[in-house]
Amino acid sequence: ELKVEQNPLFLSMQEGKNYTIYCNYSTTSDRLYWYRQDPGKSLESLFVLLSNGAVKQEGRLMASLDTKARLSTLHITAAVHDLSATYFCAPGGFGNEKLTFGTGTRLTIIP
Amino acid sequence: DAGVIQSPRHEVTEMGQEVTLRCKLISGHNSLFWYRQTMMRGLELLIYFNNNVPIDDSGMPEDRFSAKMPNASFSTLKIQPSEPRDSAVYFCASRPTGPTEAFFGQGTRLTVV
Repeated sequence: ELKVEQNPLFLSMQEGKNYTIYCNYSTTSDRLYWYRQDPGKSLESLFVLLSNGAVKQEGRLMASLDTKARLSTLHITAAVHDLSATYFCAPGGFGNEKLTFGTGTRLTIIP
Repeated sequence: DAGVIQSPRHEVTEMGQEVTLRCKLISGHNSLFWYRQTMMRGLELLIYFNNNVPIDDSGMPEDRFSAKMPNASFSTLKIQPSEPRDSAVYFCASRPTGPTEAFFGQGTRLTVV
């Protein structure tokens, strides 16, 4: 059974700082998805990583995937308040369309 | 496209009553996922369908839960009888064929009293 672990679970950081969220998963997967959820809202897709070594960037967020290490990272650069949200990762691949989400990381950016 | 549409957005019901949650997929999508989200258990996959066929229902908590896809664009999740511990936000999400992301509905907040 696929296990997906994110760390940290909670992250409070000051504006302007950099930080990284980690997503580890237990079984082989050739792609991974990152989502964002604002309080009381639905999940919104951020990144789709489709192969080993894939890197995607959007604004202050950058995601990468290492399928051999079964690890994905979401790096935040010079954080701003608008990035406060919960971030989820979900591995999926090799023909299995099942989408299992990690525990989520609740990020709070402090002015 | 209006996106994935769920109804109702909020539901309050008494313990023992039947509850039906509804989901309309994005046109052309052929995979459908039902999730339940709580503070304690996070985001749990209940069941997913591919081309109207249930592929994996191992996340369905017990026999009180059932899900159907009567056609390619519509799904229901039924809880009968409902219990207070079923209180949660239920999301459905749809995805087209291929390595793309799933698109989520706005969710149904269910409260069983």
